[in-house]
Amino acid sequence: AQTVTQSQPEMSVQEAETVTLSCTYDTSESDYYLFWYKQPPSRQMILVIRQEAYKQQNATENRFSVNFQKAAKSFSLKISDSQLGDAAMYFCAYSGGGADGLTFGKGTHLIIQP
Amino acid sequence: NAGVTQTPKFQVLKTGQSMTLQCAQDMNHEYMSWYRQDPGMGLRLIHYSVGAGITDQGEVPNGYNVSRSTTEDFPLRLLSAAPSQTSVYFCASSYSEAQSLNFGPGTRLTVT
Repeated sequence: AQTVTQSQPEMSVQEAETVTLSCTYDTSESDYYLFWYKQPPSRQMILVIRQEAYKQQNATENRFSVNFQKAAKSFSLKISDSQLGDAAMYFCAYSGGGADGLTFGKGTHLIIQP
Repeated sequence: NAGVTQTPKFQVLKTGQSMTLQCAQDMNHEYMSWYRQDPGMGLRLIHYSVGAGITDQGEVPNGYNVSRSTTEDFPLRLLSAAPSQTSVYFCASSYSEAQSLNFGPGTRLTVT
């Protein structure tokens, strides 16, 4: 079974600084999908970024970008110019593309210091 | 579009009671799923459906039933609530299994 590991239960960063959240995963598949979801205190799960494993290019969405290292099975999220609204739980997730859904990591609680 | 809607937002049950968590989506998505979120555990898949009339079990299906009579609706039934089912429940949908999930707002369930 696939596993997703987020080794940082909590991270803290100053507003306007850059922070990187770590994620590693275990799979024997060659084609798969990786995601980062944000969960603010409202509890709503919000997609931040999606990466397809067969694409070499790292996905980016405005201030959010990933460092996808397929051989190392690593998928870190970089948030540039951190804003107070970025404070949330961040979940890394893996999908093999099948119907058996996403496998989530346990999450990283991101604190933004004003 | 309303996206994915869930009712109720909060619920308290006594041990042994049954109830149904409602989930609906208006995006014509074939794929729907239920997750539970427990502190320190991330989200875990309970049941999923790839289309009307088709359902299957996820990682933690025990104590839950689902049905999919229409594309829009995917209710989750707790047959006999137990304190171990205290959790936040999320319904999610997507156009296909490989796409990112659209989540509902969640239901916080407490079983006493």
